[in-house]
Amino acid sequence: GIQVEQSPPDLILQEGANSTLRCNFSDSVNNLQWFHQNPWGQLINLFYIPSGTKQNGRLSATTVATERYSLLYISSSQTTDSGVYFCAVDRDNYGQNFVFGPGTRLSVLP
Amino acid sequence: NAGVTQTPKFQVLKTGQSMTLQCAQDMNHNSMYWYRQDPGMGLRLIYYSASEGTTDKGEVPNGYNVSRLNKREFSLRLESAAPSQTSVYFCASSRVGGPDTQYFGPGTRLTVL
Repeated sequence: GIQVEQSPPDLILQEGANSTLRCNFSDSVNNLQWFHQNPWGQLINLFYIPSGTKQNGRLSATTVATERYSLLYISSSQTTDSGVYFCAVDRDNYGQNFVFGPGTRLSVLP
Repeated sequence: NAGVTQTPKFQVLKTGQSMTLQCAQDMNHNSMYWYRQDPGMGLRLIYYSASEGTTDKGEVPNGYNVSRLNKREFSLRLESAAPSQTSVYFCASSRVGGPDTQYFGPGTRLTVL
C-alpha cells in the first residue's frame, strides 16, 4: 500500500521564523490534504491540494504530484501555529480511503 | 451549523463490554469516516461511507462495525471492547464531487480497562 512520510518529525521555532514541512508519498494520488491538530486535539483542514500551489494567509502549500511530494510553508510563525501537522493521501485513488502521515510536531516559542 | 458532532466525549469501558459511538453532520455531506488516533501517532482509518447505504473497510477495521443510519449519521460499534482499542476516535465528513475537504468532529476519548 501507499506509504506516507513526513519530515522533520519535530520542529522548534522562535516566533516570527519561517518553516517548511515536507510530505513524501510512494504512489500517485488523487487527493492530498494538510491538517493542523492544535494542542487541544482539534483537527482543522488547511489545504486540499492534490497538485499545484495554494495560499491562505501566512500558510501556503505546494504539491508536485509527478515527484510525489508536498510542502507546507509557514511564514512569520505565531505561537498559535503550535501543534501537529499531518498530510493525508487517498490510498486507492477513489479519493476517500485515506492514509495519514506520522505528522510534524511544531512548537513556536514566544 | 454545528458541523460534525460526536457523542460521548469520554468513555471508560471494561474489557468485553460493548458500546456505540455516535457521529452526526449537518453539512449535507455524502461521505463520512471513522478514524482512531493512538498516542503520538497519526490517524488511521477504520471505516468509511462514501454515500448513504454504503460502507467500506479502511486500514484497521477489525473489532469494529459501522452503520450509516442516514445521510447525517454514522455510528461506530465496539462489540467486545479490548484494551488495544483504547484510543481517541474521530469522525469526519466530506463532500463528494468537489474538493473532498474533510471536516472533523471533536473526538471521543475511549479507555478500555
